[in-house]
Amino acid sequence: NAGVTQTPKFQVLKTGQSMTLQCAQDMNHNSMYWYRQDPGMGLRLIYYSASEGTTDKGEVPNGYNVSRLNKREFSLRLESAAPSQTSVYFCASSLKLDGEAFFGQGTRLTVV
Amino acid sequence: GENVEQHPSTLSVQEGDSAVIKCTYSDSASNYFPWYKQELGKRPQLIIDIRSNVGEKKDQRIAVTLNKTAKHFSLHITETQPEDSAVYFCAAIAYNQGGKLIFGQGTELSVKP
Repeated sequence: NAGVTQTPKFQVLKTGQSMTLQCAQDMNHNSMYWYRQDPGMGLRLIYYSASEGTTDKGEVPNGYNVSRLNKREFSLRLESAAPSQTSVYFCASSLKLDGEAFFGQGTRLTVV
Repeated sequence: GENVEQHPSTLSVQEGDSAVIKCTYSDSASNYFPWYKQELGKRPQLIIDIRSNVGEKKDQRIAVTLNKTAKHFSLHITETQPEDSAVYFCAAIAYNQGGKLIFGQGTELSVKP
């Protein structure tokens, strides 16, 4: 049972490049989330998917897009990376919105 | 939308002392309040949670209290140990309104032996 798996673990992008962060969970969870973590700012919600087939904006959605590909997978896309998007990105999933959220190991993204 | 404020940002205690971290939230519809612990270089993990129909919940050395009228909730750690050193995050969600799980800014707890 792998839990929540994110790929890649590390990535360096040049300004303007695009990339997709992948996230998959094997716990049959309904809800999935993408957060970014910056020093002193906690975990900020980018987008979430309450259930398969739905996605909603979080606190800081600008510059990102998401796809809930199926119940297992929830990807985050940066269309044109900017230095302000340098951060650690966490994917998480939960059985229901008011249930324990399980986090992936994180992706450290640097945009130069 | 929901806004969660967490204080203090850093907290240093001696081993064996108690530690208290406080959070306030803005959305009166919020009804689920989890606390997560993140050790250095690791992912956040749930340590305790409380729902709006309960005022207090305990799990060994950890307790959480909720005051819905004042819209604040607190984490209490008693008999702190060096392995309690980590960053702690509170969060809140109005789940029956399809709400978002919003986190506070985090508290870095240091327990000195």
